Amino acid sequence: GEDVEQSLFLSVREGDSSVINCTYTDSSSTYLYWYKQEPGAGLQLLTYIFSNMDMKQDQRLTVLLNKKDKHLSLRIADTQTGDSAIYFCAEEGYGGSQGNLIFGKGTKLSVKP
Amino acid sequence: EAGVTQSPTHLIKTRGQQATLRCSPISGHTSVYWYQQALGLGLQFLLWYDEGEERNRGNFPPRFSGRQFPNYSSELNVNALELEDSALYLCASSSPYALGYTFGSGTRLTVV
Repeated sequence: GEDVEQSLFLSVREGDSSVINCTYTDSSSTYLYWYKQEPGAGLQLLTYIFSNMDMKQDQRLTVLLNKKDKHLSLRIADTQTGDSAIYFCAEEGYGGSQGNLIFGKGTKLSVKP
Repeated sequence: EAGVTQSPTHLIKTRGQQATLRCSPISGHTSVYWYQQALGLGLQFLLWYDEGEERNRGNFPPRFSGRQFPNYSSELNVNALELEDSALYLCASSSPYALGYTFGSGTRLTVV
């Protein structure tokens, strides 16, 4: 079955890089997403990567995809206290699976000043 | 541009009652999705509506239902509420011409 796994917690110091890891099981996934959720808020789309890509960079964010190992990571450079939130990775399959994103349970990132 | 708006922000209901949650998608978005974020269970897909039709459904009982109106807004109805239905319900919308899903801030439903 489909499953997305993430570590639950990550703590870093302000200015360091954060790396949040995710593994997924559905090899037919088309897109993989990273969402951010701040306390009391909905989900904010951070970035996405198509399954035929290896890497995507967007300002402070770098996404790496290892299709062989079904491993996805999100690197946040120069992490700031405002980056403290829960980060979710999600996979999306083909066709009839549209909108049926399979989410991980989220990684809570704590940034210490 | 207004984002996805959901109402109400909070809703308290008694077990056995019915709850109605509302969602307005981003202008130009024709698909609406509903997700449940329950404590300990993470985010789970509930329903997908497109062009007024239910296109896909997650693993939830029939007492979870909804509809999409001609203006693409949507309602989620939960009948015969159970304590376990207490959760944050998130609505998302998407456009047929662009990638990605935009989420609203959610409705927190508490069943007592």
